Amino acid sequence: GAVVSQHPSWVICKSGTSVKIECRSLDFQATTMFWYRQFPKQSLMLMATSNEGSKATYEQGVEKDKFLINHASLTLSTLTVTSAHPEDSSFYICSARDMYSSTDTQYFGPGTRLTVL
Amino acid sequence: GIQVEQSPPDLILQEGANSTLRCNFSDSVNNLQWFHQNPWGQLINLFYIPSGTKQNGRLSATTVATERYSLLYISSSQTTDSGVYFCAVGWTGANNLFFGTGTRLTVIP
Repeated sequence: GAVVSQHPSWVICKSGTSVKIECRSLDFQATTMFWYRQFPKQSLMLMATSNEGSKATYEQGVEKDKFLINHASLTLSTLTVTSAHPEDSSFYICSARDMYSSTDTQYFGPGTRLTVL
Repeated sequence: GIQVEQSPPDLILQEGANSTLRCNFSDSVNNLQWFHQNPWGQLINLFYIPSGTKQNGRLSATTVATERYSLLYISSSQTTDSGVYFCAVGWTGANNLFFGTGTRLTVIP
């Protein structure tokens, strides 16, 4: 149980294009999902908290107009990187917390590797 | 913000050896998790352990919340244990986790 999927697993795009990444909780429901970014050999940094049915909450320094987040259902959150540039190349990981769980355990997706040329 | 430091940053072990990884955090927390990130980037939940001790096979973890540290023990290490181990902390109801600096473990045959 507690499986989170991401799609695509990797993507290469040209500078200036937009890329959408999907995060799904497969066997549980999540009112809250999280988006992290990880640069090579570094730790995970929280970008934003995705709330079902309301606006996402962005961490300081993360541009909300560049990283659009939509949490349209209890099992799906999407992250759209708009007008991507090479410095946006990174490993993007989502996580979700089971809304019916008695603990705060977060379950992570397999990540999406974005390369912007 | 909260600081989460892990040690050692890098560790190389011979297969079969035991190891202890440490996670220190700068503020009181009531949510702490240990993860293993495999070479493909997948984060695998190891323990949810805001306090106390848990064991799962060759792995065990102890968190002393009052002293703001947690330990992850790996016994009889195997090459498949290689990867990066992260601790992450947070607070009940706050949802988001703050990740530590990580320990990169390499187990050689």
